[in-house]
Amino acid sequence: QVTLKESGPGILQPSQTLSLTCTFSGFSLSTYGMGVGWIRQPSGKGLEWLANIWWDDDKYYNPSLKNRLTISKDTSNNQAFLKITNVDTADTATYYCARIGPTTRFAYWGQGTLVTVSS
Amino acid sequence: DIVLTQSPALAVSLGQRATISCKTNQNVDYYGNSYMHWYQQKPGQQPKLLIYLASNLASGIPARFSGRGSGTDFTLTIDPVEADDTATYYCQQSRNLPTFGSGTKLEIK
Repeated sequence: QVTLKESGPGILQPSQTLSLTCTFSGFSLSTYGMGVGWIRQPSGKGLEWLANIWWDDDKYYNPSLKNRLTISKDTSNNQAFLKITNVDTADTATYYCARIGPTTRFAYWGQGTLVTVSS
Repeated sequence: DIVLTQSPALAVSLGQRATISCKTNQNVDYYGNSYMHWYQQKPGQQPKLLIYLASNLASGIPARFSGRGSGTDFTLTIDPVEADDTATYYCQQSRNLPTFGSGTKLEIK
């Protein structure tokens, strides 16, 4: 059974760095073809893909946010991470992590973690 | 970026057919597969994968859901619709870096 769970700070101030953790089970990021992606969704709005990391440590970023994003993984502890630097109120959203496979479909999703950027 | 266009909303009577469209500004076919996927998101919940590679039913999804299309034009069909299908439906392409459509909110009359 594949499960994912996101964790984050809940609230942070503009200009700070947002650090998110995705803790998963039921698959390994050392397995060929496996990956984890991050997607966010402002309240009442659509889905925005942020970044993917693959079993071989290959990384892909949304070009519109690339300079602010860093994705990484800890294979031993079944975790993936996302950092977003210099946040502002526009980064307020629910952040999801999801398992991806070779066709880069988001097959399994976590429940999401709400992040609010406010001074 | 590949841009995906969906109609904002659709209202369908209970027991009838719902057809949700997604059009892309670039071809998402590659080596015989269409890299288009569909998700359902109910209020307060995470998205759920319904259809992958345009027409393949994801695990545990009822056969009332189906997908078709290729190239730049895709559809998700729900037949017959049930009250529990009230949700927003998103398409997503993975031919290039992933992008999502803006979502179609389905209302069951």
